Amino acid sequence: DAGVIQSPRHEVTEMGQEVTLRCKPISGHDYLFWYRQTMMRGLELLIYFNNNVPIDDSGMPEDRFSAKMPNASFSTLKIQPSEPRDSAVYFCASSFGQGADEQYFGPGTRLTVT
Amino acid sequence: SQKIEQNSEALNIQEGKTATLTCNYTNYSPAYLQWYRQDPGRGPVFLLLIRENEKEKRKERLKVTFDTTLKQSLFHITASQPADSATYLCALGWAGADGLTFGKGTHLIIQP
Repeated sequence: DAGVIQSPRHEVTEMGQEVTLRCKPISGHDYLFWYRQTMMRGLELLIYFNNNVPIDDSGMPEDRFSAKMPNASFSTLKIQPSEPRDSAVYFCASSFGQGADEQYFGPGTRLTVT
Repeated sequence: SQKIEQNSEALNIQEGKTATLTCNYTNYSPAYLQWYRQDPGRGPVFLLLIRENEKEKRKERLKVTFDTTLKQSLFHITASQPADSATYLCALGWAGADGLTFGKGTHLIIQP
């Protein structure tokens, strides 16, 4: 298995532009998580899905952020419009079951908003 | 709100010694706790899980303890090697919720 796949690996964009991050979870995993990592705040959970349905989006910082999971093998995290404070590494992770099951992380997307 | 504290300073350990990393939390005790390893430029990798009714778990050179009275987990690497150098993250999970709350991590450096 290729593991969790994220694209792009690096994204540089100007303030005000729309950014779309993509994730392909491990096949057979029912849970998908989006995290954001910065030096100041560490690794923060943004939103997670169970069987393609958003369960908890309380970590999404504001309405500029949205996430979708149209099918079991694909999810997107969109920021519109982007701001410099959105600069971070965004990770997607998936797990087989609920709760204590280990999460498998992708390599991350490093986003820089200038 | 829940607060998780890990050693913010880098931890320097001589090769062959035991490295001990600390994870302290406030407020409610989690149902389980996980430890992850993160190398530069990569995503975190799962190492160990310990549940609230367990005191200790072991896996090869790794050992984790969980003390709900002290609200603390300790993560030990015995016979440490330079390849163990990385950032180690603790993550807390609660019953009825599937997301994890991560600490900021401890940067461990094993010196040859």
